[in-house]
Amino acid sequence: RKEVEQDPGPFNVPEGATVAFNCTYSNSASQSFFWYRQDCRKEPKLLMSVYSSGNEDGRFTAQLNRASQYISLLIRDSKLSDSATYLCHRESGGSYIPTFGRGTSLIVHP
Amino acid sequence: NAGVTQTPKFQVLKTGQSMTLQCAQDMNHNSMYWYRQDPGMGLRLIYYSASEGTTDKGEVPNGYNVSRLNKREFSLRLESAAPSQTSVYFCASSAPGQTNTEAFFGQGTRLTVV
Repeated sequence: RKEVEQDPGPFNVPEGATVAFNCTYSNSASQSFFWYRQDCRKEPKLLMSVYSSGNEDGRFTAQLNRASQYISLLIRDSKLSDSATYLCHRESGGSYIPTFGRGTSLIVHP
Repeated sequence: NAGVTQTPKFQVLKTGQSMTLQCAQDMNHNSMYWYRQDPGMGLRLIYYSASEGTTDKGEVPNGYNVSRLNKREFSLRLESAAPSQTSVYFCASSAPGQTNTEAFFGQGTRLTVV
């Protein structure tokens, strides 16, 4: 079982919709989590960090639930430009190996 | 503000040929990584280097070798390319244990082995 699991989707939503992705992890010692965005044929780029207290950046909200071992990304008022693949990333303080989920594809249509 | 630089961006090889992918970072990161990304498979770790002078196998190391030349540079070598190595390769770096531990990626190398 992969240490970080994501639903690959695709999530196909209309403009203006609210959409949420989850990412489950199996290593309870995991310390830091991030969401990355990857556009087609481009490299992944950091979208936002995930904190236990939650993290909000405009239309994007990231949450960490340590008890249930998952992180989430909520996108409100979806835009066409939000269409991309979203990768979750686990960084363990005791390990030098960052682990990525396989990514969730989001398609926002008019 | 270069970040992580990878070369080449595109490459076509014949089966059996060899090549080296170059990667350099200017963020003074200790850790560097090589990933391959195939459709539906996500990012799979090939090799990583936790610090200068050390390298370790990742999830899919067969058919590859790496060299951590110095703190800045981490190269990936294909000694005898096979069609199964057709993929997009990403180099990344990070500073685990620091305040900001996110990974930074190069722009990728699109490799086709025919």
